[in-house]
Amino acid sequence: GQNIDQPTEMTATEGAIVQINCTYQTSGFNGLFWYQQHAGEAPTFLSYNVLDGLEEKGRFSSFLSRSKGYSYLLLKELQMKDSASYLCAVRDRHSNYQLIWGAGTKLIIKP
Amino acid sequence: DTGVSQNPRHKITKRGQNVTFRCDPISEHNRLYWYRQTLGQGPEFLTYFQNEAQLEKSRLLSDRFSAERPKGSFSTLEIQRTEQGDSAMYLCASSWGVGAYNEQFFGPGTRLTVL
Repeated sequence: GQNIDQPTEMTATEGAIVQINCTYQTSGFNGLFWYQQHAGEAPTFLSYNVLDGLEEKGRFSSFLSRSKGYSYLLLKELQMKDSASYLCAVRDRHSNYQLIWGAGTKLIIKP
Repeated sequence: DTGVSQNPRHKITKRGQNVTFRCDPISEHNRLYWYRQTLGQGPEFLTYFQNEAQLEKSRLLSDRFSAERPKGSFSTLEIQRTEQGDSAMYLCASSWGVGAYNEQFFGPGTRLTVL
């Protein structure tokens, strides 16, 4: 079957670094997405990984290991505006390339 | 820059009533998706279109839900005989491409409250 696991909630301090993990099980892996969602708003795209390794984009980086079914999102130099939910989604070619979504990790930034 | 738009933004209705939501995707996008999201959960896939063709519909979707995209542009999602369990945020997203990398752009959502 298909399954995506993320921690429910994490807390970090402004200016620090935080890593949000995502593990997945899917038979037809075809890419992993990270989205950011502020409360009451729509998800916005952060990153995409389809090959193993690290993708860096400014303060945000995303890592993928396909053999381990594992990804993480790394946020550096945390700012208060980074307080949001972070959603991991996996595209599955055996499900017509649909995105399978995790429940999201609520990140709380403290001053 | 016209992103994905949804109307209405909020809808309050009584149980048993029908409601219809509209989504206008980014104009050059050929794929359109409908999701439902409840508090503390990720988006739950409902259905998607490629141009005007509805290619997939979630098995979790009851026959009270129907969606159309008549001209391959905007789409409507109708819920008949609403139930309190239908209360959620309904998100629309659009993308360009078939199979390959295709980032989905989301609209602001329609929040439905069924009393």
